[in-house]
Amino acid sequence: GAGVSQSPSNKVTEKGKDVELRCDPISGHTALYWYRQSLGQGLEFLIYFQGNSAPDKSGLPSDRFSAERTGGSVSTLTIQRTQQEDSAVYLCASAIWGGYNEQFFGPGTRLTVL
Amino acid sequence: GQQVMQIPQYQHVQEGEDFTTYCNSSTTLSNIQWYKQRPGGHPVFLIQLVKSGEVKKQKRLTFQFGEAKKNSSLHITATQTTDVGTYFCAGNQAGTALIFGKGTTLSVSS
Repeated sequence: GAGVSQSPSNKVTEKGKDVELRCDPISGHTALYWYRQSLGQGLEFLIYFQGNSAPDKSGLPSDRFSAERTGGSVSTLTIQRTQQEDSAVYLCASAIWGGYNEQFFGPGTRLTVL
Repeated sequence: GQQVMQIPQYQHVQEGEDFTTYCNSSTTLSNIQWYKQRPGGHPVFLIQLVKSGEVKKQKRLTFQFGEAKKNSSLHITATQTTDVGTYFCAGNQAGTALIFGKGTTLSVSS
């Protein structure tokens, strides 16, 4: 595809359940970011993958959050034992290289935890 | 850790008035980027500044990077209703993740 895609677009889950959010970056982009955006709020950095380097996980809010990037392409963000405060839009972005290039954002996954 | 702060958080203007948002970093930045997010949309890249004191223009938008590479501004001349949205700055140090400010939400009344 031409842009970053994310799935699902919407996810409603019950408190305590695990969820997986998927991001397909633009082909050839080595950098991939996950952000969280609560209603009317800014972009909260979660995790950053750059090529084969160890990911920067400094933004993950708790050990319930984890992310993987397989084969340097698709990434999955997993939230275990979801809480109501996890409700937000989760945005993925990719870039050709690191923090020096334009980030292309996906449409986001809106997560609602009941 | 690195922090990027933006002011104001909200700004309402009458169409035709000017608008400025300011971005400040706690550390010297390698580069700064600006993004615009329309209501209901996702952030879209506007511009990147790399050099100390750099000024770039895009039609009615003027972007500036401070001499110390710790602050930046976005100025819109003669706002239009199409300028509505949230403007984010984002910066990083060499080799680190790009960190976004909390954004300035602009509303414009005609």
